[in-house]
Amino acid sequence: GESVGLHLPTLSVQEGDNSIINCAYSNSASDYFIWYKQESGKGPQFIIDIRSNMDKRQGQRVTVLLNKTVKHLSLQIAATQPGDSAVYFCAENPTGANSKLTFGKGITLSVRP
Amino acid sequence: NAGVMQNPRHLVRRRGQEARLRCSPMKGHSHVYWYRQLPEEGLKFMVYLQKENIIDESGMPKERFSAEFPKEGPSILRIQQVVRGDSAAYFCASSPRMNTEAFFGQGTRLTVV
Repeated sequence: GESVGLHLPTLSVQEGDNSIINCAYSNSASDYFIWYKQESGKGPQFIIDIRSNMDKRQGQRVTVLLNKTVKHLSLQIAATQPGDSAVYFCAENPTGANSKLTFGKGITLSVRP
Repeated sequence: NAGVMQNPRHLVRRRGQEARLRCSPMKGHSHVYWYRQLPEEGLKFMVYLQKENIIDESGMPKERFSAEFPKEGPSILRIQQVVRGDSAAYFCASSPRMNTEAFFGQGTRLTVV
């Protein structure tokens, strides 16, 4: 079946270092991908998105990379801060799927002071 | 511009009762999505609605669950005769159109006792 999954359940980084969170997806029909951040007790917060006609997109301190050949998505966070500690989800939207997103299980990012 | 508003934030129901969850989308957004999240898991799509129409309900259980998005007022997710397995966080998201970023509310945490 189709799935979106994350390679590691937790990631611990030192404050100030760069973080890289990886995600694998299996639906080759997906054409839109989003990274969300979720803090405890809150709803998912949009971070950055990318469409399948791009392989890289940058935001403020964040970069998303898309490798369609191996169906891989990554989120890079520069100069990680304590406020970045949260659970991160990648989500995909297959073409024609009426905008419904398929979420991965999530990875916890823990920032050490 | 207020975000997606969900209420109540917490809801406790006894087995067999009905649960009604409300979602007011962001201003100008006519697309509403409901997701369910179990502890330590990703979000699972339930239903996608536009004003007065259910577009995709492929993630909704066949029984006891229903959703609506009337011309006036919030979107409602209704769960009849709740069971313990319905305990979860229910999130609503809205977007101005298809295949674009969706913004999530803070969720309603349903506990069935």
